[in-house]
Amino acid sequence: GAVVSQHPSWVICKSGTSVKIECRSLDFQATTMFWYRQFPKQSLMLMATSNEGSKATYEQGVEKDKFLINHASLTLSTLTVTSAHPEDSSFYICSAREYRGSGGELFFGEGSRLTVL
Amino acid sequence: GENVEQHPSTLSVQEGDSAVIKCTYSDSASNYFPWYKQELGKRPQLIIDIRSNVGEKKDQRIAVTLNKTAKHFSLHITETQPEDSAVYFCAASRLLADNDMRFGAGTRLTVKP
Repeated sequence: GAVVSQHPSWVICKSGTSVKIECRSLDFQATTMFWYRQFPKQSLMLMATSNEGSKATYEQGVEKDKFLINHASLTLSTLTVTSAHPEDSSFYICSAREYRGSGGELFFGEGSRLTVL
Repeated sequence: GENVEQHPSTLSVQEGDSAVIKCTYSDSASNYFPWYKQELGKRPQLIIDIRSNVGEKKDQRIAVTLNKTAKHFSLHITETQPEDSAVYFCAASRLLADNDMRFGAGTRLTVKP
């Protein structure tokens, strides 16, 4: 199947700093990518839909100034957590759909575990 | 928008027994229902999916059933093995829509040897 790669897989940062997470589709082009947040033992919560060449669409309750999303190319989307605080510590996962024929399977990145001290 | 509910939240079975996880969805326009398996600290991976034009799909020990009228679908795992232990998520979306795949809350399956 298609491959979605995420980097870094884990990051520790100090409170108040910004952290950038990259999501790449390695063998297909993705006009749309998705960013999720997952707390321990909980489900995947969609944060935003990243659209290549245009602004991201954020879910209700997600601060767009806090979680900056840039989708500059058909294979790369980035999520920047600005002025991170301990409550931002979480597992962040991206995904992209590869469209073949009449449908699109969703592939996930490996996830990035953010710890804010 | 779509709302997906999943039950049970935890499920413990003995090796060799069957496991069933159930989901309901709210959007009658949803026509694609994938199931993902997520092992601890790893990415979710698609294990099986079903489209609304079929009522059942099977792949070895895994099967999914869909009842469009009742808007619910289920995952069935037979002859469970310890390596089946993971968190399973159901999801629902429209096939060609980009931003409306919603996930259930997940079921933590434990298979005891």
